[in-house]
Amino acid sequence: NAGVTQTPKFRVLKTGQSMTLLCAQDMNHEYMYWYRQDPGMGLRLIHYSVGEGTTAKGEVPDGYNVSRLKKQNFLLGLESAAPSQTSVYFCASRVWRGETQYFGPGTRLLVL
Amino acid sequence: KQEVTQIPAALSVPEGENLVLNCSFTDSAIYNLQWFRQDPGKGLTSLLLIQSSQREQTSGRLNASLDKSSGRSTLYIAASQPGDSATYLCAVKNYGGATNKLIFGTGTLLAVQP
Repeated sequence: NAGVTQTPKFRVLKTGQSMTLLCAQDMNHEYMYWYRQDPGMGLRLIHYSVGEGTTAKGEVPDGYNVSRLKKQNFLLGLESAAPSQTSVYFCASRVWRGETQYFGPGTRLLVL
Repeated sequence: KQEVTQIPAALSVPEGENLVLNCSFTDSAIYNLQWFRQDPGKGLTSLLLIQSSQREQTSGRLNASLDKSSGRSTLYIAASQPGDSATYLCAVKNYGGATNKLIFGTGTLLAVQP
């Protein structure tokens, strides 16, 4: 099993550009999460999904959109990137009754 | 609002030393607490999970304790090795909600010198 994978690993954007980050998991997990990690701050939850076709806002959802069209994929979109969105983005998943979240390796995003 | 703090932010120790990492939280009504390890450029790996009804959990050289009343948890690493060098994060889950939302501390960067 590959576990949780994220694409791309690194990306540079100009202010105003759009992009989509892809998270894929092959563990048949119901729950999926998107976090951002910034220096001096803990990981913060952006959006999450409790199953295919469902999404919900987390702690810092502004400027992001998500979709979960397939159970194994969770997409994070930036419609108009801003320098404040420069961060490392982590995806995680967990099984419905489990407590442990399994994390991907992260996507490093730089917005100029 | 739950806040999680980890002190120190960085720690350097010689190989073989026993060490303690600290995590404190402001709201004692937690469901559980987890300790994670993060290697540079990598994702997080769960090390130990302590339920609110438990006082400690052990895995190999790692022992995590939980004192809800004082809002504290410690991660004890015995006989440290250079391979233990990483950032250690704690995260709490509060009661209420079905999202498994975790609130993370900012981490302790550990360097074990050979």
